[in-house]
Amino acid sequence: DGGITQSPKYLFRKEGQNVTLSCEQNLNHDAMYWYRQDPGQGLRLIYYSQIVNDFQKGDIAEGYSVSREKKESFPLTVTSAQKNPTAFYLCASSIRGGAMDEQFFGPGTRLTVL
Amino acid sequence: QKEVEQNSGPLSVPEGAIASLNCTYSDRGSQSFFWYRQYSGKSPELIMFIYSNGDKEDGRFTAQLNKASQYVSLLIRDSQPSDSATYLCAVNWGDYKLSFGAGTTVTVRA
Repeated sequence: DGGITQSPKYLFRKEGQNVTLSCEQNLNHDAMYWYRQDPGQGLRLIYYSQIVNDFQKGDIAEGYSVSREKKESFPLTVTSAQKNPTAFYLCASSIRGGAMDEQFFGPGTRLTVL
Repeated sequence: QKEVEQNSGPLSVPEGAIASLNCTYSDRGSQSFFWYRQYSGKSPELIMFIYSNGDKEDGRFTAQLNKASQYVSLLIRDSQPSDSATYLCAVNWGDYKLSFGAGTTVTVRA
């Protein structure tokens, strides 16, 4: 059963803490993405990776970090430098990241800062 | 700044009617266009994609693209209560990234 998994589904963080969101895919896709969605807004790109051991900043990368050590995994760390991290985080993947490639989304992680 | 704008909602339509969703984008060089449906609290799922001028039909959904006017639309025919969701327009500028509009929430009333 192919797809994208994200964990945890809900995450609570105290101010000043770093937290890591997991994203795994078994679709054999080269490209992976992290988005943030705030209430009533569209998705904003945080980071993306087109190949293992390479990734690029998206539109709102400040306060976040990623790694891409394996093709199937693209974890996102929300650092204490991110001033307003409460949001719905979505991981996505596509075959090659090309202009015509559909992006498939995981179920998301809802992060709340206490 | 590349922008994607969607008509503000919410859009309420009676069951069986046509729902019309609009999206404009700022860059004439945009290559492909996607419509995603997102139910409340869930992740987006692809409804349609289009990259050539004209219409593309898939079941009750029709996407329309006019690159000269920088405009893409989605029509939902014979709207059903299960179509009640937020619809996101996404544009690929040709640099391997998608930019999303804020979405239009559609409510189909029985």
